[in-house]
Amino acid sequence: SQQGEEDPQALSIQEGENATMNCSYKTSINNLQWYRQNSGRGLVHLILIRSNEREKHSGRLRVTLDTSKKSSSLLITASRAADTASYFCATDAGNMLTFGGGTRLMVKP
Amino acid sequence: DTGVSQDPRHKITKRGQNVTFRCDPISEHNRLYWYRQTLGQGPEFLTYFQNEAQLEKSRLLSDRFSAERPKGSFSTLEIQRTEQGDSAMYLCASSLVNGDGYTFGSGTRLTVV
Repeated sequence: SQQGEEDPQALSIQEGENATMNCSYKTSINNLQWYRQNSGRGLVHLILIRSNEREKHSGRLRVTLDTSKKSSSLLITASRAADTASYFCATDAGNMLTFGGGTRLMVKP
Repeated sequence: DTGVSQDPRHKITKRGQNVTFRCDPISEHNRLYWYRQTLGQGPEFLTYFQNEAQLEKSRLLSDRFSAERPKGSFSTLEIQRTEQGDSAMYLCASSLVNGDGYTFGSGTRLTVV
């Protein structure tokens, strides 16, 4: 079963704009992670935020976590055409990751 | 170590045949995971190993599926008597216990005809 739900399911923006994706989950977690997947390829780990953290940055990525609302957001700033991919949130409750259905991001040049 | 390797990249098989996939994780990682992903969906957990012990299996892993990690290094996933519903991408990942994220392989795409 998939715990996380991403919103929106699909997002189309122009290069240079910011992209925001949201994730909601149902149970307690140790950490929440975001992954990127190019079409037909494996997943690439982007960033991990622990349950006692509220915000984390990595390059053009900013992740927030609200454990009271069981939600997270991923912001990609100054998007590029190369950011076109599917983005998945995944929750870690200790033994394995549980993924959401993903947000398909298209960045138009 | 160049990451997680999966073999083959693609497999087309006839319904009813058996198939076996291999995963070579990052050598320092003691956990190895198998996931299945169908088109347009997120990956679904199948099973994981810590060293050579298989610690958890999903309900998705029917009795036609078996996974092994005999020496705590590479792992194999076998599907017996394949069905068209088994068509999917099978992803392997490895990690350290309490590590920072998983490293995924490129996956094996299975097509059952």
